[in-house]
Amino acid sequence: DVKVTQSSRYLVKRTGEKVFLECVQDMDHENMFWYRQDPGLGLRLIYFSYDVKMKEKGDIPEGYSVSREKKERFSLILESASTNQTSMYLCASISGLSYNEQFFGPGTRLTVL
Amino acid sequence: EDQVTQSPEALRLQEGESSSLNCSYTVSGLRGLFWYRQDPGKGPEFLFTLYSAGEEKEKERLKATLTKKESFLHITAPKPEDSATYLCAVQATYNFNKFYFGSGTKLNVKP
Repeated sequence: DVKVTQSSRYLVKRTGEKVFLECVQDMDHENMFWYRQDPGLGLRLIYFSYDVKMKEKGDIPEGYSVSREKKERFSLILESASTNQTSMYLCASISGLSYNEQFFGPGTRLTVL
Repeated sequence: EDQVTQSPEALRLQEGESSSLNCSYTVSGLRGLFWYRQDPGKGPEFLFTLYSAGEEKEKERLKATLTKKESFLHITAPKPEDSATYLCAVQATYNFNKFYFGSGTKLNVKP
């Protein structure tokens, strides 16, 4: 019953490294999202994509980029990781027809040293 | 400014002690309000969607209600397995891809 998967549950990287987080959904959803979750701040949208190769900035896009080459896969890229990017990263998808509930992946806990 | 506020931040209940969680929101146009459950170290899991004031949804010991300014998640006779963080999110009419999340209520139910 797998719906949204993320490439890693835990990741430890060093400052300045390029980091790739991958997300795959098997529901044929058009829209996919990347959030980060920090204590007391809730979920904050980094980027979302409404179609292959299409993307829009969310509320906190600085320091991040994304790639969507296939409908089922949405990647988040940290070009040069910094310690303030230590966080829980959550991927989600939603049907572009119903725009009902978002389906979330299990999350990636990223630590940047 | 569109935003969502959840209260309390944390809630400790004895097993069987009913209570309610609050989600108040300000949004230019509400398309839907969503409740999610999140267990430690996991992604949020969908519980309910509410679309209009007066609407109610139920699932086991949980019941969600909606007014024009807030939503309540009522927990009746909770069990320890209901312990989790409960998140509320609102979806705007001007952008169906825009969701505003609250910071959650962490519920701990003691046996």
